[in-house]
Amino acid sequence: EAQVTQNPRYLITVTGKKLTVTCSQNMNHEYMSWYRQDPGLGLRQIYYSMNVEVTDKGDVPEGYKVSRKEKRNFPLILESPSPNQTSLYFCASRAGAHQPQHFGDGTRLSIL
Amino acid sequence: GQNIDQPTEMTATEGAIVQINCTYQTSGFNGLFWYQQHAGEAPTFLSYNVLDGLEEKGRFSSFLSRSKGYSYLLLKELQMKDSASYLCAAFSGGYNKLIFGAGTRLAVHP
Repeated sequence: EAQVTQNPRYLITVTGKKLTVTCSQNMNHEYMSWYRQDPGLGLRQIYYSMNVEVTDKGDVPEGYKVSRKEKRNFPLILESPSPNQTSLYFCASRAGAHQPQHFGDGTRLSIL
Repeated sequence: GQNIDQPTEMTATEGAIVQINCTYQTSGFNGLFWYQQHAGEAPTFLSYNVLDGLEEKGRFSSFLSRSKGYSYLLLKELQMKDSASYLCAAFSGGYNKLIFGAGTRLAVHP
């Protein structure tokens, strides 16, 4: 089954404790992105990747890092999480420029 | 600047037709997507318009006017399961950045 898998689905943690949210897709897609979704603001792009070892900033990259060492994986790293990063996070992938995004089920992060 | 506007909330009756509007201002426009998102779930793809005109897919249709920076999603024969948020999204400055509107929450009543 074609899917984008994120882990964990839920996480409550404390300020400053490094965390990684994993994202994996099994569709051999080149494009992958991370979004955060906050009430009233919609989905905002954090980082995106066009292929292995090719990443770039989206609209809200501050406080986040990503890597793309393999085509299928695109982890999101919060080196020193802060409460304002409490949000619902979605990973997405797509096959090409005009193709729709396939979203993972989301990760709800709470930073205390 | 880059901006996508859509109404925050709409209500409609089961069996009726509803039109959800979206206006956008983005640099280097290359196409517009509509997604459906049920509460607590991931967005799912509904439609994609890159040229002016109407795209029809069963009960759902989407329209685009590039000259007016305007799109709408038309939902016919509404069902209770259509109660969800509908997200409008447009490419900005190429095919890598996708800008989303805040979403329109549609409530379908019996």
